[in-house]
Parts: sequence; structure tokens; C-alpha cells
Amino acid sequence: QVQLQESGPGLVNPWGTLSLTCAVSGGSISDEYWWNWVRRPPGKGLEWIGEMHHSGGTNQNPSLKRRLTISVDKSKNQFSLSLTSVTAADTAVYYCVRGGFWAFDIWGQGTMVTVSS
Amino acid sequence: QTVVTQEPSLTVSPGGTVTLTCASSTGAVTSDYHPNWFQQKPGHAPRSLIYSTNNKYSWTPARFSGSLLGVKAALTLSGVQPEDEGDYYCLLSHGGAWVFGGGTKLTVL
Repeated sequence: QVQLQESGPGLVNPWGTLSLTCAVSGGSISDEYWWNWVRRPPGKGLEWIGEMHHSGGTNQNPSLKRRLTISVDKSKNQFSLSLTSVTAADTAVYYCVRGGFWAFDIWGQGTMVTVSS
Repeated sequence: QTVVTQEPSLTVSPGGTVTLTCASSTGAVTSDYHPNWFQQKPGHAPRSLIYSTNNKYSWTPARFSGSLLGVKAALTLSGVQPEDEGDYYCLLSHGGAWVFGGGTKLTVL
């Protein structure tokens, strides 16, 4: 079955760039799904970050749009998140999620990212 | 900025029934908002329960059901089990962007 696995640095400097990758296994990133990023800051609720389709279509959280890039790498069967100018408010567990047909069915296990010097 | 509101906390007795709701600051929630519901327990990734108002996944227990209730989306748990304790989140589509509710902490006591 399809599985998602996040990877990336667990510690990012303030005002640096947070970069994460989600590897898709058991399926193709070119299937008709939207590939999402969701985060949960400590002590807070879930926040939808954005999504991308393999065709290039994207949707993003308006509050993050200015700092956010989501991309798909078909050759590696993975998708990525880049968030610039990070602050402590970006400290969170980041999840990659498969979406599509108005559903969000498969979640990665999540990866903790801390913004600190 | 769109705000999605859920009850901050609810308590239910084992075997009882509880309804969690999800409201949007933009107005009445309809099927066009494609409500999704998720359960999250400490230290675990969220688990998807309901999509597009009332559709269940193959793994969704029968005691969970989704609906529209007045101007809100709703998740009803019938015959609550102790393992249902956790945080519950709704997710609504707003014109190409998705917005999570603040979450409901469900206590089974």
C-alpha cells in the first residue's frame, strides 16, 4: 500500500529556510492525487500548509504563501516543502499527506522541526 | 481570514453518544465545503475518519458518522469506546484552500 515518509533537518536557524521532502512508496506521485503538507505547532492545532498536483497545480495557505514553495520531483517520486524566513512560530511537527477526491487518506508519520539558534 | 470553529472540549461516558460540530466564519457549512474529520492521539499522526461530509474510509469504525447539522458539519460517535479519547479536527474547503478547525479534545470518562 502507499506510504509517505518525511525527511529533513530537525533544527533550522531563525530567518533561515526550512526544507522537507516526502518520499512516496507503493504508488506513483503522478497518480491523480494532490500532495499536501500539514503541520502542528506544540500545544496548538493542525494547520494546512498547501498542496500540489503532479501537473503543476498548487493551492497554498494565504498566510504562508509569501514564504512557501511546494514542488514535485517525478524522477524521485517525492515532493518537497520550502519555507523561507522561518521564526519560532514555524516550530512544529510537519506531516505530508495524500489528498484527492475531497479526501485526505494517507499520512506520513511526521517530522519535528525546531527553529532555534 | 477564514476561521473554522469547533468545541474546545467535550466529555462523554463510555457507551454514550456525542456530537462534535464544525462551523465556518464564512457562513453555513454545506456539502460544497467537503468536510473532513480526523482523530489524533498524542505522539501519533492524525487518522482520517470521514471525507466529503459523510463518507467513511475502509478503516473507519461504524460508530463514527458524519453529517450536516443546521449550519455546521458534525461528527457523531455512537457507543463511545475508551479508545475514542483524543483530539478531533474538522477540515473544510474554502475556494481552493483548506482550513482546519481548532480541534476538540474528547474525554471519555
